[in-house]
Amino acid sequence: AQTVTQSQPEMSVQEAETVTLSCTYDTSENNYYLFWYKQPPSRQMILVIRQEAYKQQNATENRFSVNFQKAAKSFSLKISDSQLGDTAMYFCAFMKHDNDMRFGAGTRLTVKP
Amino acid sequence: SQTIHQWPATLVQPVGSPLSLECTVEGTSNPNLYWYRQAAGRGLQLLFYSVGIGQISSEVPQNLSASRPQDRQFILSSKKLLLSDSGFYLCASRQGRNTEAFFGQGTRLTVV
Repeated sequence: AQTVTQSQPEMSVQEAETVTLSCTYDTSENNYYLFWYKQPPSRQMILVIRQEAYKQQNATENRFSVNFQKAAKSFSLKISDSQLGDTAMYFCAFMKHDNDMRFGAGTRLTVKP
Repeated sequence: SQTIHQWPATLVQPVGSPLSLECTVEGTSNPNLYWYRQAAGRGLQLLFYSVGIGQISSEVPQNLSASRPQDRQFILSSKKLLLSDSGFYLCASRQGRNTEAFFGQGTRLTVV
């Protein structure tokens, strides 16, 4: 089975600074999809950004961008100009073609004023 | 977009009692449906997923079962709860391969 590893249980960053959250995955598939989800204290899961493995260009959504390294099986999330509302658990997710979708253990991010 | 309804929001059940958590989906048809469990301070563990009515894939042997009696209904059940079944249960729905998953608000289950 595919595994998703987030090696940083907790991270903190000063407001307006930049932070990078790490994610690695293990798969023998060539076509798959990667996601970052945010879970604020409300526990509602919110999609932050997605990446198709066949696309070499890194996905970007406003202040959020990814560094997708397919050969290294790495998918890190960079948050620029961090805001207090970015405080949340962040989950990296992997999905292969048969719809099996798996998540990492999560990184708890705290943005400090 | 899809709307996922999950209930109840919180549940306290004694050990050995049965469980039934329901998830229904609005705004889509023939979705892929998922049940995840999030233990305290941990990530999301995939329990079951379904690509269609009556089609259930189980990820880990456990005390739980799932059923999909209708296209947009996904039920998580147990005949006898264990203390280790405590956790936060999330239902998710996806439509299409490269689309995001939509999540319900979750059910916090405490087995006492």
